[in-house]
Amino acid sequence: QSVLTQPPSVSGAPGQRVTITCTGSSSNIGAGYDVHWYQQLPGTAPKLLIYGSNNRPSGVPDRFSGSKSGTSASLAITGLQAEDEADYYCQSYDSSLRIFGGGTKLTVL
Amino acid sequence: QVQLVESGGGLVKPGGSLRLSCAASGFTFSDYYMSWIRQAPGKGLEWVSYITSTGNTKYYADSVKGRFTVSRDNAKNSVYLQMNSLRAEDTAVYYCARTRLVVVGWYFDLWGRGTLVTVSS
Repeated sequence: QSVLTQPPSVSGAPGQRVTITCTGSSSNIGAGYDVHWYQQLPGTAPKLLIYGSNNRPSGVPDRFSGSKSGTSASLAITGLQAEDEADYYCQSYDSSLRIFGGGTKLTVL
Repeated sequence: QVQLVESGGGLVKPGGSLRLSCAASGFTFSDYYMSWIRQAPGKGLEWVSYITSTGNTKYYADSVKGRFTVSRDNAKNSVYLQMNSLRAEDTAVYYCARTRLVVVGWYFDLWGRGTLVTVSS
């Protein structure tokens, strides 16, 4: 059972903006711990998308951005493209060591 | 080329053992912590274990504690996961990942392609 809750699915049309939320508690995100995001394209390994709540590794388009407030974090994707269709996972720190969210499937309509 | 390549997966009977390997290249392996993360078929990601750069400290998820052992050989640029007393619920793709520390916690900035472990009679 994940301690970080994500919506199972979100969708959007090409060009739109979508947001994926990651809701935690005072034991993880609310304690001020960083949130990181991963993108997993179909049939591939996860890839780091955002680290330290709002930092992009080299090569990640600036269409992807992260934010954090209180006990939640969000991943925003602007200018949605067909290639963004994937599973997205948030990750933080929790003393239970169950550190990943359950994942959100993004469908590009 | 900066990469991680896992090997050693396969079909094993419940109660059996398997040893996974992960070979690193393209970076100074001994500078980094390393982790194992798994993904059951059609499910999400589950962190399994990590090992510090020297191998002196290891952490495990409760679900594998006492059954799995992580180790590394910096001379061979490799990290290993010895899995004993395997159960059906250990069936998953196992990824190794380069691990970066933050003030509290860590994240994974480089992933291998994974190796499939199937536990079934």
